Amino acid sequence: DGGITQSPKYLFRKEGQNVTLSCEQNLNHDAMYWYRQDPGQGLRLIYYSQIVNDFQKGDIAEGYSVSREKKESFPLTVTSAQKNPTAFYLCASNSGGYNEQFFGPGTRLTVL
Amino acid sequence: GIQVEQSPPDLILQEGANSTLRCNFSDSVNNLQWFHQNPWGQLINLFYIPSGTKQNGRLSATTVATERYSLLYISSSQTTDSGVYFCAVGYSGGGADGLTFGKGTHLIIQP
Repeated sequence: DGGITQSPKYLFRKEGQNVTLSCEQNLNHDAMYWYRQDPGQGLRLIYYSQIVNDFQKGDIAEGYSVSREKKESFPLTVTSAQKNPTAFYLCASNSGGYNEQFFGPGTRLTVL
Repeated sequence: GIQVEQSPPDLILQEGANSTLRCNFSDSVNNLQWFHQNPWGQLINLFYIPSGTKQNGRLSATTVATERYSLLYISSSQTTDSGVYFCAVGYSGGGADGLTFGKGTHLIIQP
């Protein structure tokens, strides 16, 4: 069954803690993306990666970090430097460039 | 950066009605996608349509790239069509890949 998985579905964090969100894809896609969605808003790009061991900042990268050690995995770390981390986080992938993007089911992060 | 505006922001219709959702964008685009976000937050791909017209069952979409807009048509609406519809574009002028999203149209189909 090909697709994009994200875990966990829900995540609760105390202020001051770092937390890592998982994103895995078995679509053999080269490119992967992380987006953030706030209530009543569209998605905004955090980071993206076109190839393994390379990634670029998106529009709202401050307070986040990523790695791309394997083609199928693109984890996102929300650090304590992120001022408003409570949000819905979605991972996406495509075969590169401006080709169609496909999304995972998302992780809802709540900071207590 | 590029601006993406969707209209209307909210739309309430009776089951069986037809609707047209609009997406305006402020620059040339290389990618345009329409999504339906279900109540659980999952983004479902409807159309990949940087230009031209496509149809899929009761849904169809048209993008007029030269005039910088796209339309999503939903015919014979069903309650399961309820949710938020997003337009998102990819463009080369911003210096970063990824999609730029509009704020969405919240559609409610009443039985």
